[in-house]
Amino acid sequence: TQLLEQSPQFLSIQEGENLTVYCNSSSVFSSLQWYRQEPGEGPVLLVTVVTGGEVKKLKRLTFQFGDARKDSSLHITAAQPGDTGLYLCAGPPFNDYKLSFGAGTTVTVRA
Amino acid sequence: KAGVTQTPRYLIKTRGQQVTLSCSPISGHRSVSWYQQTPGQGLQFLFEYFSETQRNKGNFPGRFSGRQFSNSRSEMNVSTLELGDSALYLCASRRGSDTGELFFGEGSRLTVL
Repeated sequence: TQLLEQSPQFLSIQEGENLTVYCNSSSVFSSLQWYRQEPGEGPVLLVTVVTGGEVKKLKRLTFQFGDARKDSSLHITAAQPGDTGLYLCAGPPFNDYKLSFGAGTTVTVRA
Repeated sequence: KAGVTQTPRYLIKTRGQQVTLSCSPISGHRSVSWYQQTPGQGLQFLFEYFSETQRNKGNFPGRFSGRQFSNSRSEMNVSTLELGDSALYLCASRRGSDTGELFFGEGSRLTVL
C-alpha cells in the first residue's frame, strides 16, 4: 500500500488544455515535493511545499498543499508537449525524514 | 557542476547471478539513497547512506545490500538475481541528512533473463 496515492494514473490531453494531478494520504506530511521524470532520465524536483494551504506557482504550473498537510495538487494551465512526463509527489511523513513516493501520474500532451 | 553519475546505464543478467551498481553523488553531497523503479510499484526506497553509515533501509530482502565509501560514492549489490529484480535502479544524492532536495542520476536499467 502506497503512503501517497496519486490520481489519475494516466492522463492524455490535447495541447492547450488544462490538467490537475492529485496526491493524497491519510498521514500528515512535514512537506511535499513534486518531481517530473522524462523517459530515460531520473526525476527532477519541481517544487517543495511546506506550509498547510500554501500555493506556489512555477510559470504555468500551480502547486497547492492542503490545509491539513495530507494532500497536494498540481495544476497545469495550457499544457504543452514539453510538459509530457511522469509526475511524482513525495514527502517525509511527520516525524520522519525518509521520503515516500507516490506511484506517479503519466501525463501525455498531444500536439 | 557535475550531476549524479550512475554506472552502468544498462545491463543484462541471468537468474542466479549477482550485480553491482555504482553511484557517484554530486560533489559535497554526503547522503546517497537508492530506489527501485518498476511500472507496477513505482519508486520503492531501498536504503540511504550518510557518511558511510546506513541510515535507513526499505522493505527489501537481504539479497539487496549497499555501502558508501569515504568519498561518498556508493555501490549497491543484488545477489541471486530473480526475474522480478528487473527494474530501473535510481541513485539520488543530497547535501545533508535532512529532507532537502534529492538529485537523481539517470539510473541503471537492469534486465534479468
